[in-house]
Amino acid sequence: AQSVAQPEDQVNVAEGNPLTVKCTYSVSGNPYLFWYVQYPNRGLQFLLKYITGDNLVKGSYGFEAEFNKSQTSFHLKKPSALVSDSALYFCAVRDGNTDKLIFGTGTRLQVFP
Amino acid sequence: NAGVTQTPKFQVLKTGQSMTLQCAQDMNHEYMSWYRQDPGMGLRLIHYSVGAGITDQGEVPNGYNVSRSTTEDFPLRLLSAAPSQTSVYFCASKRGAANYGYTFGSGTRLTVV
Repeated sequence: AQSVAQPEDQVNVAEGNPLTVKCTYSVSGNPYLFWYVQYPNRGLQFLLKYITGDNLVKGSYGFEAEFNKSQTSFHLKKPSALVSDSALYFCAVRDGNTDKLIFGTGTRLQVFP
Repeated sequence: NAGVTQTPKFQVLKTGQSMTLQCAQDMNHEYMSWYRQDPGMGLRLIHYSVGAGITDQGEVPNGYNVSRSTTEDFPLRLLSAAPSQTSVYFCASKRGAANYGYTFGSGTRLTVV
């Protein structure tokens, strides 16, 4: 069965520092991977996706993610964190058989001034 | 440019009551899904649909019914509400091709007392 794991419930980082939010996946076949962000009392917003091609994917708000097939990881990164980046981040993988989206449990990112 | 619209935004039910959460999208998306979000558990798929007249179960379908009579609408029915159904519910839609991501509604916060 397809699954994703987000090993950290919370990540704390100082404003201006680089940030990484971790995600590992387990799929059969080629992985279709996604990152979403949820701000307080809001729905999920699409950040970026990996389908095929370059292992470094660039997305919205200066975020990027690195696909690593050998480590089955898809970590979300940003070179310089902003306080406004504080939110809940979800990694997700597409189930290739049904096209359903399977989510991780989420990582809360706190950026301190 | 409404996207995915969910109503109501908030609802309080008594145990045993029934209700319907509404979801409508104006993007002509084939795929629609319902998720529930609970603390520490991420988003779990309740039901999904790949087109009008076609629905299928997700991870946690018990206690919920859906129908898809039109492309635009995908209502979620709670047959007999239970406190365990207290959650935030999100509807999402996407184009049918595999490499598209989902667009989410802003959610319905349901409390069952």
